[in-house]
Order: sequence, then structure tokens, then C-alpha cells
Amino acid sequence: QVQLVQSGAEVKKPGASVKVSCKASGYTFTSYDINWVRQATGQGLEWMGWMNPNSGNTGYAQKFQGRVTMTRNTSISTAYMELSSLRSEDTAVYYCARVPHHYFDYWGQGTLVTVSS
Amino acid sequence: NFMLTQPHSVSESPGKTVTISCTGSSGSIASNYVQWYQQRPGSAPTTVIYEDNQRPSGVPDRFSGSIDSSSNSASLTISGLKTEDEADYYCQSYDSSKRGVFGGGTKLTVL
Repeated sequence: QVQLVQSGAEVKKPGASVKVSCKASGYTFTSYDINWVRQATGQGLEWMGWMNPNSGNTGYAQKFQGRVTMTRNTSISTAYMELSSLRSEDTAVYYCARVPHHYFDYWGQGTLVTVSS
Repeated sequence: NFMLTQPHSVSESPGKTVTISCTGSSGSIASNYVQWYQQRPGSAPTTVIYEDNQRPSGVPDRFSGSIDSSSNSASLTISGLKTEDEADYYCQSYDSSKRGVFGGGTKLTVL
């Protein structure tokens, strides 16, 4: 069965970077895009960007341009999302999701990133 | 920037029908597919409608989606409401640059 398993919760200081991983199983990792979405506590979903695991091509939301980097390691079927220059407003649950065509069909369990001094 | 606007909350009684709207800010909402996600507290979202009106396997046919080009909006309709339908619902589409966009979410209360 398709699974996306994310890395554990992180606590970071303002100005630091965080790298969240998303390990895929149950399908061919390079066949579908991976998107990243975040959700602050009590808030809505916010799209961050996409990555094609086959080519490594990426596309980011304007809000995160210059601060976010999405990469992958195809040998271990794992996608990564790194966010730099963290601030308190970046405290949120970060999700990876598989996107076969237009919609997010499988989601990771989420990774809580807390930014606090 | 392209935005999707949803009502903050809706409520209805069990067994009734409720419709949640999602209005596009510019352009034609019909230009890109609209999806709907259900999110229960503490859980990741799940898809209830994709490509405007398609239901993933396992989603009951009580859930349906539609597009109204005249009002530049999409709608999620849930009929025969059950208490288990109580959740947050988000519409999602893409802007002209193929960047993802989510609506602000609608809290459905079944009382």
C-alpha cells in the first residue's frame, strides 16, 4: 500500500533552517510529483511547492521563493523540504503529499516544526 | 494573486443536505480542476472530490462536486448528512502559473 512517512517533530531557533523528509513506499517514487503543504495551528492549508522526483524540477509558491528548497534521493525514495531563515510564523505542521495528476491522493502524517527562541 | 474564498462555517442537521461554495477571485475557475479535501481534527486531509466532480474509491456518493462558471465558483454538496461528516473542508485548485491554491477552509457542523 502507498505510504508517505515523514520525519519527526523539530524545534528550531529563529534564523535556523529545518529539513523535513518524506519517505515513499508502495509505488514507484519517480512516477508522481511530491507537493508540500503546511498548516499553522488552527489555520488553513497553505501550498508551498512541488517537486518532480524523476527530473528534480521544482516550483515554489512566491511566498517561499528564496527560502525553500525541495530535493530528493531516488535511491531511498525520499523527498526533502528545507526551509531556511525560520521565524515564529513558520511554526506549523508540514505535510508532503503525492500528486498523480491534479490532486493530492496520499498524504504524509505531518511533521510539527516549532520555531521558538 | 488567484484566491479561493469559502464560507468560514456552515451547519446543518443529520439527514439534510449542505452545500459549501468556493469562489475564484479572478479568471475562470473552470480553467483548472478543483479538488475538495476533508480534514478531521488531528489528521491529515483526505480527498473527497477531485477533478471538479470525481469521487475517489471509498468516498460515498453522498459527496458530489460541481462547477458554476456563471458565478466562477465550485461547490461541494453532501447529502444525507451524518455526524461523521463533521470536519473542515478545503477546496483547492491552481493559478495560471500552475501553483497550488487552497481555499481558507469551511468548518462543517452537523447538529
